[in-house]
Amino acid sequence: AQKVTQAQTEISVVEKEDVTLDCVYETRDTTYYLFWYKQPPSGELVFLIRRNSFDEQNEISGRYSWNFQKSTSSFNFTITASQVVDSAVYFCALRLQGAQKLVFGQGTRLTINP
Amino acid sequence: DAGVIQSPRHEVTEMGQEVTLRCKPISGHDYLFWYRQTMMRGLELLIYFNNNVPIDDSGMPEDRFSAKMPNASFSTLKIQPSEPRDSAVYFCASSLAGLQPQHFGDGTRLSIL
Repeated sequence: AQKVTQAQTEISVVEKEDVTLDCVYETRDTTYYLFWYKQPPSGELVFLIRRNSFDEQNEISGRYSWNFQKSTSSFNFTITASQVVDSAVYFCALRLQGAQKLVFGQGTRLTINP
Repeated sequence: DAGVIQSPRHEVTEMGQEVTLRCKPISGHDYLFWYRQTMMRGLELLIYFNNNVPIDDSGMPEDRFSAKMPNASFSTLKIQPSEPRDSAVYFCASSLAGLQPQHFGDGTRLSIL
């Protein structure tokens, strides 16, 4: 069975601090895809990134970066120099090759305080 | 470009009433998904369609729930009769085939009194 664990239920930091959101996944498949979504207070779910299991290169997009390590089954998300607008619930999700279903973690509520 | 459009945004109704949630996917997308989000269970996939055909409805909680996709630009999720435990945020999402990400609508916040 597939499972995604986001052990951090809530994180609160002061603006400009760096923050890392953890994501650990379980699957026996060798080909799979990992995703991060952001859910701001307005409620919609916004796609942030997709990563393939065969590509372990880290990715950086502005203040956002993602660290994928197959050896530890982790796909962590770091926000550098956090801003109040980064406050949201962040979800990590897993999808197997050939499947359409996304398996979501429970989410991490991130609060950035001014 | 228009995203996934869901209606209504909020619905409050009494137990036993029929509830219909609506979704218009992004034009050209092959897949449509219905999710439910609750505090207890998080985000769960209820059902998804490919080219208007239901492919996997194993997440539909019980017979009170039904979903249809009569054409490529419209889908409904119906609950009849509704119960208080159905209170949740219901999301519709759509995607292209292949490895494309799912794009979500703003959700419908449903409250059953």
